[in-house]
Amino acid sequence: EDKVVQSPLSLVVHEGDTVTLNCSYEVTNFRSLLWYKQEKKAPTFLFMLTSSGIEKKSGRLSSILDKKELFSILNITATQTGDSAVYLCAVGGAQKLVFGQGTRLTINP
Amino acid sequence: GAVVSQHPSRVICKSGTSVKIECRSLDFQATTMFWYRQFPKQSLMLMATSNEGSKATYEQGVEKDKFLINHASLTLSTLTVTSAHPEDSSFYICSAKRTGPYEQYFGPGTRLTVT
Repeated sequence: EDKVVQSPLSLVVHEGDTVTLNCSYEVTNFRSLLWYKQEKKAPTFLFMLTSSGIEKKSGRLSSILDKKELFSILNITATQTGDSAVYLCAVGGAQKLVFGQGTRLTINP
Repeated sequence: GAVVSQHPSRVICKSGTSVKIECRSLDFQATTMFWYRQFPKQSLMLMATSNEGSKATYEQGVEKDKFLINHASLTLSTLTVTSAHPEDSSFYICSAKRTGPYEQYFGPGTRLTVT
């Protein structure tokens, strides 16, 4: 059965800290790994990763995929209170996405 | 680009009635649309995959007669919750996939409350 596991499930840090969120997976017919940010409504797309070792960056957020060890990390540097959200990792198989449980990140001022 | 809308955003209905939720891709044609359900503090659970012009593929444990999905065009899919019960109360989110890169774009979600 396809499985995506995120850790930690919950994380509370102070503004300005750097955080690393983890996502490991076991999926048949792997196509891509996606990161989403979910605040009060539906998830918003952050990154899609398909190749190992190539870092994707967007401002203070970056992510990388290791297809040999079957995991990805999402880094957020110089965190701000607006980064508080649930971060979802999803892995795309042949047709559908399988989601992890999410990491609830809280940034305290 | 890649905007997906959902309507309504919030609905309250009585037990036993049916509710229809619409999902539209506004600026692209979606070959495939997906319907998810999310309970409080839980992740998204895929309910069904909907391809334009064909029958939806339901995930194990999802009743196809209860959750009717219609994908009439490349920009519209609907989910009808029939004979709703309080345990159907949840956040329903659709997503749409373009051809090409495997990215799903999510609608804003519909919060269904069945009283």
